[in-house]
Formats: sequence, structure tokens, C-alpha cells
Amino acid sequence: SQQGEEDPQALSIQEGENATMNCSYKTSINNLQWYRQNSGRGLVHLILIRSNEREKHSGRLRVTLDTSKKSSSLLITASRAADTASYFCATSGITGGGNKLTFGTGTQLKVEL
Amino acid sequence: EPEVTQTPSHQVTQMGQEVILRCVPISNHLYFYWYRQILGQKVEFLVSFYNNEISEKSEIFDDQFSVERPDGSNFTLKIRSTKLEDSAMYFCASRGLAGGYGANVLTFGAGSRLTVL
Repeated sequence: SQQGEEDPQALSIQEGENATMNCSYKTSINNLQWYRQNSGRGLVHLILIRSNEREKHSGRLRVTLDTSKKSSSLLITASRAADTASYFCATSGITGGGNKLTFGTGTQLKVEL
Repeated sequence: EPEVTQTPSHQVTQMGQEVILRCVPISNHLYFYWYRQILGQKVEFLVSFYNNEISEKSEIFDDQFSVERPDGSNFTLKIRSTKLEDSAMYFCASRGLAGGYGANVLTFGAGSRLTVL
């Protein structure tokens, strides 16, 4: 499998429910980030978690990181229709000064009214 | 809020033609990137640029590709002879100085959609 694979590939929920997306990666990382992409648009940074952190919160977002399992999860609580988008995890490697981000395959989230 | 701007938003070109995609990164950023996303696929790293030179490039970024920062504000991606498989959304991104919490966070432009016929 490739660096940064998310599951599920697609997720459909009702407004008000929580959405959980998972990301797995293969190599050691400096940090892991989550980005959001609305259809046909650019990526927007949501949250960053460093390799020595286990959990991070930002508003309705909660990110966990398990470096022993090389996995991360993004939880969106009390989802809204406006949360409908694709969500990507992106890893920053240890070498090269963390110069580039390697993106996962993405989860398409649809929040229905 | 500062943003990365890209032009054109959509370009249609014939196979074999040269294409230049333009980006204006955030003014005080020092690291610049190009990524591409083929329709329905993941976002792929192409190249990073710092201090007026390429710092890293992927296997995709072959001799047909080049980048330039011609005037201290624009950052361009040139594809010399386009192929059908170059059809994709091309994203420019930039980030600030190394070190600190926000250093590794990229700000992306809205993208330039390239269609090669």
C-alpha cells in the first residue's frame, strides 16, 4: 500500500452525526496533517499533529495519532451539511527538513440534511 | 487573509504544446511547491523550490517540466510538450520559514485545471 491511505474511501452520514476518518502511513514522520478539499477547489489546512503528540483538538475536530501503528484518525463531531468535502491526511517525513507533504488517497464525506 | 493565487483557472491545449501555469505565493513565504491531482486520484507532489532552486522533485517531474521564479513574486510551472496524461489539476502551494508550529503547513491555491486534447 502507499504512504497515506485513508478509509473509508467514502462516508455518508446525517447532519448532527459524528464522522470518523482513518489514515495509515508507512514511513516515520515528523508530523501529520489533515486537509479538506471542496469539490474542484484547493486544499485547506485543518489541523497538524506532531509525532510526539497523541491527540489534538480544534473546534469540532479531534485528531489522534498512534505512531506505533502508524495511523491517525480525524473525528468531526456534530457534522453539518457544509462539512461535505474530501478529507486528506498528509505526512511530513523526518528527512529533508519536512520539505514536502505526502498526501493520502482521501475520504469523501457527504453530510445529508 | 493572505492567499495563493493561480492562473489560469482552466487551460485547454493540444498535445505537444507548451503550457505555463502561474502562481503568486503568499508574499512573505519562502518555500514553494507544485502538486497535481489527476481527476479522482490522490494529490501528488511534483516539486519544491527554495532559495531560487529546486530542493526536491518527484519522478513525475521529468525533463518536460521546469519551474521558475522570474521576478520575486510569480512562481511558474512550465510543461514543454504536453501529453494526454498531463491532464490534471495543478496546485501551487507555499509556506513560511522553517521552525515553529506553522512552518510545515502549506497554503494552497485554488488550482489550474489543464486539459490536454
